[in-house]
Amino acid sequence: EIVLTQSPTTMAASPGEKVTLTCLASSSVNYIYWYQQKSSASPKLLIYYTSSLASGVPDRFSGSGSGTSYSLTISSMEAEDAAIYYCLQLTSTPTFGAGTKLELK
Amino acid sequence: QIQLVQSGPELKKPGESVKISCKASGYTFTDYAMHWVKQAPGKGLKWMGWINTYTGKPTYADDFKGRFVFSLEASASTANLQISNLKNEDTATYFCARSVRGFDYWGQGVMVTVSS
Repeated sequence: EIVLTQSPTTMAASPGEKVTLTCLASSSVNYIYWYQQKSSASPKLLIYYTSSLASGVPDRFSGSGSGTSYSLTISSMEAEDAAIYYCLQLTSTPTFGAGTKLELK
Repeated sequence: QIQLVQSGPELKKPGESVKISCKASGYTFTDYAMHWVKQAPGKGLKWMGWINTYTGKPTYADDFKGRFVFSLEASASTANLQISNLKNEDTATYFCARSVRGFDYWGQGVMVTVSS
């Protein structure tokens, strides 16, 4: 099983601040997918195929990476971005990272 | 528009069974696989497995073999999850999710509470 390790576990950012979340895979993966989950709502797809923006997602979100190291960047933090972010790999048996909780400072 | 609408919350006793449904609309149901994801209270997301909506063949993650059954009512564009012999640790929200470029559309989730 490929283990995805997300960092940091929790962080706080001020409005307008640049935010970078990391997802490290225990083995090389083809792509990473990023999700945003608010409260008890269902997860929302933000990024697919590592760097493609899902429909309707603001372009302040971007993804990058390859092999075992991936990141999600928010270019300018907004209040509505406070949420938990998960990464997902589908290269082998699907696994999610444990999540990063992003709070508004 | 594409929607996955799941059934309502469930309160069950240990040892009982529960069946959760996920009704798809806005696309051809049999064109895309359906996955199931568990989220225990305050915890992260855990992949349970998936069902081929064309053939009906299910695949289960190791932790979900035995008491968990994925099924289809293809004529009704519905995927089902049945959990038997419920345990306290089955208390969670269960999501269905369509598999296209990742899991692109999700149901709203079904909260299953197991309590004596």
